[in-house]
Amino acid sequence: DAKTTQPTSMDCAEGRAANLPCNHSTISGNEYVYWYRQIHSQGPQYIIHGLKNNETNEMASLIITEDRKSSTLILPHAKLRDTAVYYCIVRDAGGTSYGKLTFGQGTILTVHP
Amino acid sequence: NAGVTQTPKFQVLKTGQSMTLQCAQDMNHEYMSWYRQDPGMGLRLIHYSVGAGITDQGEVPNGYNVSRSTTEDFPLRLLSAAPSQTSVYFCASTKGTSGQTQYFGPGTRLLVL
Repeated sequence: DAKTTQPTSMDCAEGRAANLPCNHSTISGNEYVYWYRQIHSQGPQYIIHGLKNNETNEMASLIITEDRKSSTLILPHAKLRDTAVYYCIVRDAGGTSYGKLTFGQGTILTVHP
Repeated sequence: NAGVTQTPKFQVLKTGQSMTLQCAQDMNHEYMSWYRQDPGMGLRLIHYSVGAGITDQGEVPNGYNVSRSTTEDFPLRLLSAAPSQTSVYFCASTKGTSGQTQYFGPGTRLLVL
C-alpha cells in the first residue's frame, strides 16, 4: 500500500471548516483513499473514502486532486467533539490485501471554542 | 445490532500468565482483525481472518494466537504475557474481504506487570 504523509497536528476554531491534508504521491491506480478518526480512548471510526472523484457524506467531504497524489478531508463546520486523531490511509480495495489497514501517525486535530 | 464488542475492557496480568481477549460481531462480517495500539502510535495489525476456519498473520503476530471457529467470534490469545504486550487492543470487522469499511470495537486495555 502507498505511504501517506500528514501534518502532525492542526487547530481549528469551532464552527469553521477544518481542512486536513494528506500526501500520497506513490498511490497506484487501484488504490483508494480512506479516512478514519480516533477520538481519545475509543476505537477508530470510518469517515469517508474515495478513488478519483470527490466524495461527500453526512460527516465530511473528500477532495482528491486530479493526479491523485494528494487529498483533503473537509469537516465543514467543526465541532468540539471532532477533536481527534485523523488517519489518512491508502490501500487496495481488493486483491490479496484482505482489508488490512496500515495506520500511520495521523493528524491530531484540536477544535477550540 | 451491537456491532463489534470486546471483553474485558481492562485487564492486568502478571508476566507469564495467559489470557484470551474476546471479540464478537453480529453483522455477519466475513473479515475480522486484531490490532494493537501503543501510546502515541498508530494501530498495528496482529492477526486477521477472512472467514471461519481461516486466519493469517499481520505485522506483529509474535506472542499471540487466534482462531476463527464461527463467523461471529475471533478471540485473541496471549500465550505467556510479557510487559511488551502492554497495549490497547482493538478488534475490527468488515463485510467481505475488500475492507471497504472497518468497524472497530471499543478496545481492551491490557497491562502486563
